[in-house]
Amino acid sequence: EDQVTQSPEALRLQEGESSSLNCSYTVSGLRGLFWYRQDPGKGPEFLFTLYSAGEEKEKERLKATLTKKESFLHITAPKPEDSATYLCAVHSGYSTLTFGKGTMLLVSP
Amino acid sequence: DTGVSQNPRHKITKRGQNVTFRCDPISEHNRLYWYRQTLGQGPEFLTYFQNEAQLEKSRLLSDRFSAERPKGSFSTLEIQRTEQGDSAMYLCASSRRLAGAYNEQFFGPGTRLTVL
Repeated sequence: EDQVTQSPEALRLQEGESSSLNCSYTVSGLRGLFWYRQDPGKGPEFLFTLYSAGEEKEKERLKATLTKKESFLHITAPKPEDSATYLCAVHSGYSTLTFGKGTMLLVSP
Repeated sequence: DTGVSQNPRHKITKRGQNVTFRCDPISEHNRLYWYRQTLGQGPEFLTYFQNEAQLEKSRLLSDRFSAERPKGSFSTLEIQRTEQGDSAMYLCASSRRLAGAYNEQFFGPGTRLTVL
């Protein structure tokens, strides 16, 4: 059974204070790892797809990396508008996604 | 806006009543998914369709839940005899299927169900 563990559960940063979120996974044959952003009361918003170890993708202040056991979402010089819950999900041999519980990020001005 | 839409956005019902939710996917997407999300948890898979065929259902999906996608376009999720434990956000997502690739799923805004 696929498992996804995200840490920390919650993270509070000052504006401009860079940090990283972790997503550890156990799957039988990773076919894709996905990062989503979710604002309160809304559906998840797609950010990145990573397919193989060593792959990196960037979007504005966010950078996602992938190893064989985990993925990191690096946030550089965050702004208050980056405050949200960040969800990690994996796709293995099935057509569905298995999500972690998410990391709730709060960036204070 | 051509994203995934869901209706209603909010539904309050009494225990024992039936409810139905609707999802309209992105027009060129042939796969449609239903998830359930409770507070502090990630979305949990319920079921998915490829065109009009329901290809997979989670063990979470009890007999009180039924989903349809009659013409391969919009989908409905019905919950019969609702229970308080059914209170959650119900999310719909859609994706394209390309041979040899798994494409990202795009989510709708969700329907929040409250069972009193």
